[in-house]
Amino acid sequence: DADVTQTPRNRITKTGKRIMLECSQTKGHDRMYWYRQDPGLGLRLIYYSFDVKDINKGEISDGYSVSRQAQAKFSLSLESAIPNQTALYFCATSDAGGTGELFFGEGSRLTVL
Amino acid sequence: SQKIEQNSEALNIQEGKTATLTCNYTNYSPAYLQWYRQDPGRGPVFLLLIRENEKEKRKERLKVTFDTTLKQSLFHITASQPADSATYLCALVGRTGANNLFFGTGTRLTVIP
Repeated sequence: DADVTQTPRNRITKTGKRIMLECSQTKGHDRMYWYRQDPGLGLRLIYYSFDVKDINKGEISDGYSVSRQAQAKFSLSLESAIPNQTALYFCATSDAGGTGELFFGEGSRLTVL
Repeated sequence: SQKIEQNSEALNIQEGKTATLTCNYTNYSPAYLQWYRQDPGRGPVFLLLIRENEKEKRKERLKVTFDTTLKQSLFHITASQPADSATYLCALVGRTGANNLFFGTGTRLTVIP
């Protein structure tokens, strides 16, 4: 089984719908992140969490919210999806005591029509 | 704000040759630099890390150099193989905090048999 698991892997939805992407990890890491990847723009940080009670905005947090339900679970929500949120979303984890090496999930491809 | 440029969006190379990928940056002083590999439809996978006070790092057929004066890192794959075909991402890591890791857009390497 993968160390970082994302669900769903693919989702097509309509403008205005609420969407939740879920991430769970078995790495035992405290730090978790949500990134989006767009062609030509690279990976950009949406939100990150250093522990269960810590939530921080990243570079592009507008239109998104997150919930850290447990050390192993970090979910990303789009309250009212819009077409420019069509992208590939990645969850990642890292060890607080390490050098920032990120462990990524397999990605969730979201299409907003 | 920081800017990261990875040379050519795509690089084709003959099997057996050395592939050299470039990562240039401006407006940033990273504590270290990471390289990741990303296969189509998959999450990035960490390969190597080099610290600001290190000139060169090696791992099997991979070699990374880091020149903080030129603000450049070079990533070499020697004796390249078709299985090395993937997109390679560089990431700059700052000194503190979690919103201090910035990715380049990647170079898509194709090794031709």
